[in-house]
Amino acid sequence: EPEVTQTPSHQVTQMGQEVILRCVPISNHLYFYWYRQILGQKVEFLVSFYNNEISEKSEIFDDQFSVERPDGSNFTLKIRSTKLEDSAMYFCASTVRGGYGYTFGSGTRLTVV
Amino acid sequence: AQSVAQPEDQVNVAEGNPLTVKCTYSVSGNPYLFWYVQYPNRGLQFLLKYITGDNLVKGSYGFEAEFNKSQTSFHLKKPSALVSDSALYFCAVRDGSGTGGFKTIFGAGTRLFVKA
Repeated sequence: EPEVTQTPSHQVTQMGQEVILRCVPISNHLYFYWYRQILGQKVEFLVSFYNNEISEKSEIFDDQFSVERPDGSNFTLKIRSTKLEDSAMYFCASTVRGGYGYTFGSGTRLTVV
Repeated sequence: AQSVAQPEDQVNVAEGNPLTVKCTYSVSGNPYLFWYVQYPNRGLQFLLKYITGDNLVKGSYGFEAEFNKSQTSFHLKKPSALVSDSALYFCAVRDGSGTGGFKTIFGAGTRLFVKA
């Protein structure tokens, strides 16, 4: 069964450093998303990406965040200057179109120290 | 704006008994409704969805959910719970009338604990 792949599974970074979280969505999917989950609690929407541009973003997704689809397969989330409160599990998801559920990756656990 | 409410933080049920996990939603357009399950240290897995058609939808692992438009609810059910069903369950909604990103909003989650 096709999977969404995320790397790394765990990243520890110092406050103020830049991090890039990587995702490979399912190849025929058209819509891509980043969500985060803090301490196994609520799953928060960050950003949606379609047709090579951001479709929608939440108030969490401020100027420190950016997304990119640099080639036909990767979908990255960059945090320019990490804060302690950015520590969370970050999930990438994709879907083929609007009426379908998401396929989620296994997540990247980001720890900012 | 979309929103989802899961009124119970935790649901406890004995193995073999029926289970219900509650969800209510608010969306301005047509609701696309989903249930996801999360096992410890794992990502979310899609269980089932309601887009249109029959109000009772069936999904993975014997789960089903009933869409009730008048009550704006989409409760998750299973006739006979298993210990292995113990996990965190998320209800989610998308505005089906929307365009562009098809953003999905998740509820706060309900922890299901099935006792042997």
